[in-house]
Amino acid sequence: HVTLKESGPALVKPTQTLTLTCSISGFSLTTNQMRVSWIRQPPGKALEWLARIDWDDDKFYSTSLKTRLTISKDTSRNQVVLTMTNMDPVDTATYYCARHNDSSGPFDYWGQGTLVTVSS
Amino acid sequence: QSVLTQPPSVSGAPGQRVTISCTGSSSNIGAGYDVHWYQLLPGTAPKLLIYVNRIRPSGVPDRFSGSKSGTSASLTITALLAEDEADYYCQSYDSRLPGHVVFGGGTKLTVL
Repeated sequence: HVTLKESGPALVKPTQTLTLTCSISGFSLTTNQMRVSWIRQPPGKALEWLARIDWDDDKFYSTSLKTRLTISKDTSRNQVVLTMTNMDPVDTATYYCARHNDSSGPFDYWGQGTLVTVSS
Repeated sequence: QSVLTQPPSVSGAPGQRVTISCTGSSSNIGAGYDVHWYQLLPGTAPKLLIYVNRIRPSGVPDRFSGSKSGTSASLTITALLAEDEADYYCQSYDSRLPGHVVFGGGTKLTVL
């Protein structure tokens, strides 16, 4: 049974660094072709892809946010971590992690999402 | 501005049929990348509705169907139910951005 679950702070202050953890079960990021992405949705706005990490540790980032994002994985703990620096109120959003297992395939499993509010 | 263009909203009465379009370009849908569709209901995780243009995952009713042609794709919902009221997003990939996912701007379906 595949599950993903996001965790992290619900509230961060402007300029702080956000660290989110995606805990996975039912699959392994050591499996060939397995990938996990982070995606966010600001209130009332569209889904926005942020970053991806692959089974072979390849990493990809949104062009517009590349300088602020770092994605990593800890396969022993079955976790994928996303850090975003210099948080701003416009970064207020629900953050999701999702699995895909093909380079152009769909996100077949998603976490429930975690709402992060950026406010002083 | 999303890379894939969807109408902001569509509506239909129960029992009717609606179609949601997803327009891309020669660097994404037109380049041969598959299109996937998701349903977002408030407070729930996004649900994969259609993948690889027209395939329904197990458990998705056959009232939902997808197609792709040229630089566009579409999601059709027949026999509308009140429970279909949700936001729908298309998703693909873009050859200008290796490894980068692109989403549509989302379409709010209202069941009248």
